[in-house]
Amino acid sequence: DTEVTQTPKHLVMGMTNKKSLKCEQHMGHRAMYWYKQKAKKPPELMFVYSYEKLSINESVPSRFSPECPNSSLLNLHLHALQPEDSALYLCASSQDTGETQYFGPGTRLLVL
Amino acid sequence: GENVEQHPSTLSVQEGDSAVIKCTYSDSASNYFPWYKQELGKRPQLIIDIRSNVGEKKDQRIAVTLNKTAKHFSLHITETQPEDSAVYFCAASTRGSQGNLIFGKGTKLSVKP
Repeated sequence: DTEVTQTPKHLVMGMTNKKSLKCEQHMGHRAMYWYKQKAKKPPELMFVYSYEKLSINESVPSRFSPECPNSSLLNLHLHALQPEDSALYLCASSQDTGETQYFGPGTRLLVL
Repeated sequence: GENVEQHPSTLSVQEGDSAVIKCTYSDSASNYFPWYKQELGKRPQLIIDIRSNVGEKKDQRIAVTLNKTAKHFSLHITETQPEDSAVYFCAASTRGSQGNLIFGKGTKLSVKP
């Protein structure tokens, strides 16, 4: 399996909801990433997990909470989001940090 | 920290022509330079990458060149086709930087048939 998968594809949530985004890879990669991408902008790094430990948190608000249950799975828990958090959320993985990153298809999130 | 500048922001070419996109980086410690293609509504897809111990790399119609002294790298697409139309992002990172890819702002390439 040479793909990164993400669910759901689309998500609409209210500002008081709690939801989770999921990412999975079966390439044996030991680094996984969350990015946020607004329209017509490059991806912005949010979090990096290396060997299941959080190694980078790019000053992301606490309403975004990452979790890495095992080396193949990465979750992003969302709570009390704001409309400006609406974006495409991309997961990526790589063999190790600093190696080639492969992106999942993303979850398009709309916060109402 | 690293800063990556990408030019041009938009590029329009006729089918069959060549397209060149240029990026400059600021951190001389950067040693890995990937290029991603992103079609509308889709994921960024790696199309080619280069490491700092190599000056040029080719894959069919796509090539990347790297000038470490000048701190710039370029993407060259020859014999462009309408399906090459997309946004292209360059990026730079440093091995050991814990995976922090710094992206350029992107170039929207349109190939007119």
